[in-house]
Amino acid sequence: DAGITQSPRYKITETGRQVTLMCHQTWSHSYMFWYRQDLGHGLRLIYYSAAADITDKGEVPDGYVVSRSKTENFPLTLESATRSQTSVYFCASSDARQGANLRQPQHFGDGTRLSIL
Amino acid sequence: SQKIEQNSEALNIQEGKTATLTCNYTNYSPAYLQWYRQDPGRGPVFLLLIRENEKEKRKERLKVTFDTTLKQSLFHITASQPADSATYLCALPSGSARQLTFGSGTQLTVLP
Repeated sequence: DAGITQSPRYKITETGRQVTLMCHQTWSHSYMFWYRQDLGHGLRLIYYSAAADITDKGEVPDGYVVSRSKTENFPLTLESATRSQTSVYFCASSDARQGANLRQPQHFGDGTRLSIL
Repeated sequence: SQKIEQNSEALNIQEGKTATLTCNYTNYSPAYLQWYRQDPGRGPVFLLLIRENEKEKRKERLKVTFDTTLKQSLFHITASQPADSATYLCALPSGSARQLTFGSGTQLTVLP
């Protein structure tokens, strides 16, 4: 089915471990985003990507790494997980390129619930 | 710094009534504003976009207003139904690359 899928849906790991969250979209959207959602903070942007091989930091990038070798995939890696990174992570994509598409909405996956013990 | 506030964390209303949710912002001059719906365990889903030169926009039972002088958007659901129960998020453009900044949301419960 077309859309945006995240995996895994749930993940439990320990502090200090490396963990990678996957995101795949089938629309060939140029822009992709990673957010974390925490009570009291709402959605906060971690990293975003304008195209393959182009990534940039968002509001809360520390402790995270991203890559985008293909348009459809945008994995998020926690290189050494900490308890403060326990959260729900959402990936989104958008076709907001130039001109009339500037205001295109973002399309979200259903999230990965990550617990770090 | 830019700030978005949604009026309350939770709002309970009776079925059939009109629900009104508020989104206030400061230190922004947004060209548009978006509203999303989020159900438990799911990602946000886009509902409506309103541009700065539009005072009001409607989609079925949904109505959004945008007052750039008051720096406020109101989101109305008329003839509300229990199926409308969800968290509603407003979002404004920020940064230089199609980014959105989201409010923390208002959880709406429509009581049968």
